[in-house]
Amino acid sequence: EDQVTQSPEALRLQEGESSSLNCSYTVSGLRGLFWYRQDPGKGPEFLFTLYSAGEEKEKERLKATLTKKESFLHITAPKPEDSATYLCAVQASRSGGYNKLIFGAGTRLAVHP
Amino acid sequence: NAGVMQNPRHLVRRRGQEARLRCSPMKGHSHVYWYRQLPEEGLKFMVYLQKENIIDESGMPKERFSAEFPKEGPSILRIQQVVRGDSAAYFCASSLRTGRNTEAFFGQGTRLTVV
Repeated sequence: EDQVTQSPEALRLQEGESSSLNCSYTVSGLRGLFWYRQDPGKGPEFLFTLYSAGEEKEKERLKATLTKKESFLHITAPKPEDSATYLCAVQASRSGGYNKLIFGAGTRLAVHP
Repeated sequence: NAGVMQNPRHLVRRRGQEARLRCSPMKGHSHVYWYRQLPEEGLKFMVYLQKENIIDESGMPKERFSAEFPKEGPSILRIQQVVRGDSAAYFCASSLRTGRNTEAFFGQGTRLTVV
């Protein structure tokens, strides 16, 4: 069964304290791995898509990497405005190429000044 | 840049009533997806529609739930005879096309509460 597991469930950081969020996945053929950010009461906001092992993408203080079994979202020198829930999702090859995503439960990040 | 628009944002229904959730995709997007987020759980895929067609409804309960995306107007997710377990946030997403580099953009969601 296709599955996505994110860890930790919650993470508290001081402003400027870099860290990484983990997303491990089991899927029968990975078509793509997605990272989204979700603020309370809002919908998920797209961050990155990764397609193959070894691929990396960056956006401001965020950097996403992908291996054959997991993805990491590295946060460098975070600021309080980075506080949110970060969601990881995978798209299986048998999904037919459309956005039928399997989501993890998310990591709740809190960055304190 | 008008994003995916969902309404209402909050909906309260009594057990046994019907709930109608609306979703207008981003301009030019003809692919619509509905997801459900139960409290303390991840988002779960429900249904994928293109204009006038249901392509994949494998995540939608067989009874009481239906979805449509007519030629004109928004996509509608309908839940008949709601029960307490239907209380959740329902998110709609849209994409321009399918395939690589065609990520889905989500709306703000409709939070359904069944009392």
